[in-house]
Amino acid sequence: AQKITQTQPGMFVQEKEAVTLDCTYDTSDPSYGLFWYKQPSSGEMIFLIYQGSYDQQNATEGRYSLNFQKARKSANLVISASQLGDSAMYFCAMREGQNSNYQLIWGAGTKLIIKP
Amino acid sequence: DGGITQSPKYLFRKEGQNVTLSCEQNLNHDAMYWYRQDPGQGLRLIYYSQIVNDFQKGDIAEGYSVSREKKESFPLTVTSAQKNPTAFYLCASSISVSGRSEQFFGPGTRLTVL
Repeated sequence: AQKITQTQPGMFVQEKEAVTLDCTYDTSDPSYGLFWYKQPSSGEMIFLIYQGSYDQQNATEGRYSLNFQKARKSANLVISASQLGDSAMYFCAMREGQNSNYQLIWGAGTKLIIKP
Repeated sequence: DGGITQSPKYLFRKEGQNVTLSCEQNLNHDAMYWYRQDPGQGLRLIYYSQIVNDFQKGDIAEGYSVSREKKESFPLTVTSAQKNPTAFYLCASSISVSGRSEQFFGPGTRLTVL
């Protein structure tokens, strides 16, 4: 079974609109962390935001925020006021605290294209 | 500037040849990782190292080998035993393997087998 699922292979969004990228996860470990990365066409992975399973509040980093719904096992990335430079692949990843030697488990990614 | 460098950016190899991909970091990170990325897919872990002179197999280690003789360096050798080596290879490092320590990535090496 997939541990990280990103159901949107691609999205087109108008510039300046907000966009939500979906990520659902599957784990029985009570301690885990969720990461979002951006991969521009150059190929380098850029860390965006982190949410820990015990964090009381949703994480925010500038225009990025994480809509963390623990009971639903979802950790959606929200980008406010999208810009042309946000066009990229976006990956959700999970680190389980006790079960997997702390490896990151990656989703298949969502390709986001911002239209001018 | 602190960061991770990978070389070369593009690499072409004939079938049956071994090839070594370089990864160097000056972030003073203990942990380093090698990932493989195929088109339209997420990252898959090849090897990781938590500390110098120690490394562990990831999910797809067959046909690959690594060494960690220095904290700064974690080279990956793609051997002739790797059946389908054409892919994008990413090296990463982090302060540790646990907690909220994010991984920092290099620019990647695109390997093509001719």
